[in-house]
Amino acid sequence: DSGVTQTPKHLITATGQRVTLRCSPRSGDLSVYWYQQSLDQGLQFLIQYYNGEERAKGNILERFSAQQFPDLHSELNLSSLELGDSALYFCASSSQAGVRETQYFGPGTRLLVL
Amino acid sequence: GDSVTQMEGPVTLSEEAFLTINCTYTATGYPSLFWYVQYPGEGLQLLLKATKADDKGSNKGFEATYRKETTSFHLEKGSVQVSDSAVYFCAQLNTGNQFYFGTGTSLTVIP
Repeated sequence: DSGVTQTPKHLITATGQRVTLRCSPRSGDLSVYWYQQSLDQGLQFLIQYYNGEERAKGNILERFSAQQFPDLHSELNLSSLELGDSALYFCASSSQAGVRETQYFGPGTRLLVL
Repeated sequence: GDSVTQMEGPVTLSEEAFLTINCTYTATGYPSLFWYVQYPGEGLQLLLKATKADDKGSNKGFEATYRKETTSFHLEKGSVQVSDSAVYFCAQLNTGNQFYFGTGTSLTVIP
């Protein structure tokens, strides 16, 4: 158990809908990262937050957004969902924001868009 | 752009066989390099890492050496066990604090 929790574990929704994925980092960790893992694209870094501020951005679509709250939990919002958004979404956390910080991954949220 | 390339799987080995999973990277600057492991139904776990050239990361009998001259970070284990069956991901963290992962290599170890 990494100490990172994600909810829900599974989510089934329809195209065009909007969903919110939630992540609670390990106790004391200030950084949260979001990743998308799909069969065709592999594991892709989406975005990182550190202590409430956006720190780094990867291959995140404009339809997706994230935020980190004062209690350090984070939410990833996916809107206007398409079939291709079906994937496993991972959250990870680390204690600091700097380069070379070890990340600890949550169990993931499996999203299925029908 | 920055990227990671790792050998495609799946890889099937007998117990106690030697394992090598190749990984190469392209990067501007000097990234940190990682191997993560994903067991069935679970999230990724850090297996080992190396932060500078010639560093050797090691954990649970696995090891990998950061080779700047060949831009490689190959994963090795001398004697695999059934419990090592998982998907292994090579990754780099570039100086812009962005992670790039390889596509993963599935390993199955048979008794």
